[in-house]
Amino acid sequence: QQQVKQSPQSLIVQKGGISIINCAYENTAFDYFPWYQQFPGKGPALLIAIRPDVSEKKEGRFTISFNKSAKQFSLHIMDSQPGDSATYFCAASLDRGSTLGRLYFGRGTQLTVWP
Amino acid sequence: DAGVIQSPRHEVTEMGQEVTLRCKPISGHDYLFWYRQTMMRGLELLIYFNNNVPIDDSGMPEDRFSAKMPNASFSTLKIQPSEPRDSAVYFCASRTLQGWKTGNTIYFGEGSWLTVV
Repeated sequence: QQQVKQSPQSLIVQKGGISIINCAYENTAFDYFPWYQQFPGKGPALLIAIRPDVSEKKEGRFTISFNKSAKQFSLHIMDSQPGDSATYFCAASLDRGSTLGRLYFGRGTQLTVWP
Repeated sequence: DAGVIQSPRHEVTEMGQEVTLRCKPISGHDYLFWYRQTMMRGLELLIYFNNNVPIDDSGMPEDRFSAKMPNASFSTLKIQPSEPRDSAVYFCASRTLQGWKTGNTIYFGEGSWLTVV
């Protein structure tokens, strides 16, 4: 059972455009929602994360929007650049109980930004 | 500060051979994770440890896979015997609890690229 569902699977955006990747989760007890970025040949690395006590978090060109009632969160990349071309994973975790420490990942979105 | 270190980076082996992947987590981290990444299935959690103790191994595909963590600075993932369908990138990752506000960052190694022919 997929705890976190991510879409789209792939995304092509023109340089300067906005990239939007969406995720939905099932477990309302999740309390941490990170996004990871992975370049070819590398391991995923934390990009930005949010807790459910806020609806939005912005770091530079990257913004997470969080909708607790809809159990959805999304990553927005403003002014997308060719260097942003990578695979993006959303994830969720529960920082207590038997699954303490574990992240549940989405399937990933391959983003290509054309120059 | 060194990150998560994995070895080997690339391995090509013949079907039926034993494969051992190694991981050194970040010093001070008390959680260690083994993930497998394929095009078909994405990132799959195979097993994770807390303070060297396996917490959840429900993702280990079958008895051919085993993982150990003999001490806080070393872990192995073993496949015996290996099969072509085991070809994938295997990631080791580690983290430590930093409190609710700080977050739950997992740090990944660069992966071990396994090809079984």
